[in-house]
Amino acid sequence: DAKTTQPPSMDCAEGRAANLPCNHSTISGNEYVYWYRQIHSQGPQYIIHGLKNNETNEMASLIITEDRKSSTLILPHATLRDTAVYYCIVRAPNTGNQFYFGTGTSLTVIP
Amino acid sequence: DAGVIQSPRHEVTEMGQEVTLRCKPISGHDYLFWYRQTMMRGLELLIYFNNNVPIDDSGMPEDRFSAKMPNASFSTLKIQPSEPRDSAVYFCASSLVGYSPLHFGNGTRLTVT
Repeated sequence: DAKTTQPPSMDCAEGRAANLPCNHSTISGNEYVYWYRQIHSQGPQYIIHGLKNNETNEMASLIITEDRKSSTLILPHATLRDTAVYYCIVRAPNTGNQFYFGTGTSLTVIP
Repeated sequence: DAGVIQSPRHEVTEMGQEVTLRCKPISGHDYLFWYRQTMMRGLELLIYFNNNVPIDDSGMPEDRFSAKMPNASFSTLKIQPSEPRDSAVYFCASSLVGYSPLHFGNGTRLTVT
């Protein structure tokens, strides 16, 4: 039961910012937004998560709209190593089976 | 911390054989998850444990699949008998309680011929 919607694919020029959108219009008040990425043949890698405030770490920034119905993951200076499938997930605390990955966005960083 | 450790990395077996996949979660993590990934179905949650107790196994495909967690530092996923359609990459992940993120291992690539 998908709770998020993402574009299937995106391209980004190397060195430019990559902005990956995610719609989660049915998100509940206690559900967090998580972003993961998966580089071919590796395990998914955690990037960032947030509840309602914008978040930033060494990998990326997460912008969540005020109504929390959508969010954007920003990779500020994309490199070729950022080419991967990016998954947006919503999940409530202390739950397991709601960690549904969906199909994600395949990001290709172009030299 | 070494992260989530899975073994073996690759497994090739013949149809009908028993297969056992192993996982060591990150120390102190209370949740452990088993996922399967195929091109057709993407990442599917098979089962998850909380404090070594299976909580939800509704994703386990059929009775040929079983998972155990005898202690906080070890889990197994067993397939008996294996079939070619079980060929996939199997991931183990662990997390703390609450809103903490999952940490994945590098997976076991299973090929059943």
